[in-house]
Amino acid sequence: GQNIDQPTEMTATEGAIVQINCTYQTSGFNGLFWYQQHAGEAPTFLSYNVLDGLEEKGRFSSFLSRSKGYSYLLLKELQMKDSASYLCAVRDGDYKLSFGAGTTVTVRA
Amino acid sequence: TAGITQAPTSQILAAGRSMTLRCTQDMRHNAMYWYRQDLGLGLRLIHYSNTAGTTGKGEVPDGYSVSRANTDDFPLTLASAVPSQTSVYFCASSVEAGGPNEQFFGPGTRLTVL
Repeated sequence: GQNIDQPTEMTATEGAIVQINCTYQTSGFNGLFWYQQHAGEAPTFLSYNVLDGLEEKGRFSSFLSRSKGYSYLLLKELQMKDSASYLCAVRDGDYKLSFGAGTTVTVRA
Repeated sequence: TAGITQAPTSQILAAGRSMTLRCTQDMRHNAMYWYRQDLGLGLRLIHYSNTAGTTGKGEVPDGYSVSRANTDDFPLTLASAVPSQTSVYFCASSVEAGGPNEQFFGPGTRLTVL
């Protein structure tokens, strides 16, 4: 099974940067995903990491260290529409995805 | 393209009754999944199917059953609902189970069992 930990809540100001950390313990690692979920909506895919290092996609970047069981999602130039829950998910050797409880990010003007 | 659809959008169900939640995708994805999402617990995998004709148990399969008769449809059945099954249920699909293939989620079904 998987143990996935991420902070419950974070607050930041519009235009700022926020880093959401995710630590995990897994019996087999086959990739790490980040999803965004606005209140009352379905999760949508943000990023995928399977090798160590940084993946950048516009204002969003995701980092992975497999040896440390650690990832972070970096949100730059925060906008009000970035207020949402961010879900860290780890895929095991059987291709099943386990999700963390999510980090609710509130962006203030 | 509709993507992935779920029905119904919401439902109130009496305890002890049975119900089938429907999920259909038109993307010809091989893998499909059912999750439940509860406050503070995140998404938990109920059942999955890596390809048509096969299914597997996830983290919380008790009280639920699935079938995968074809590529497009993946219904979830509650044989005898209990109040602890009150939750938001999401169906998802991906091109394949492995690789860099993200899961696409349906809009969800909000189920209340009284």
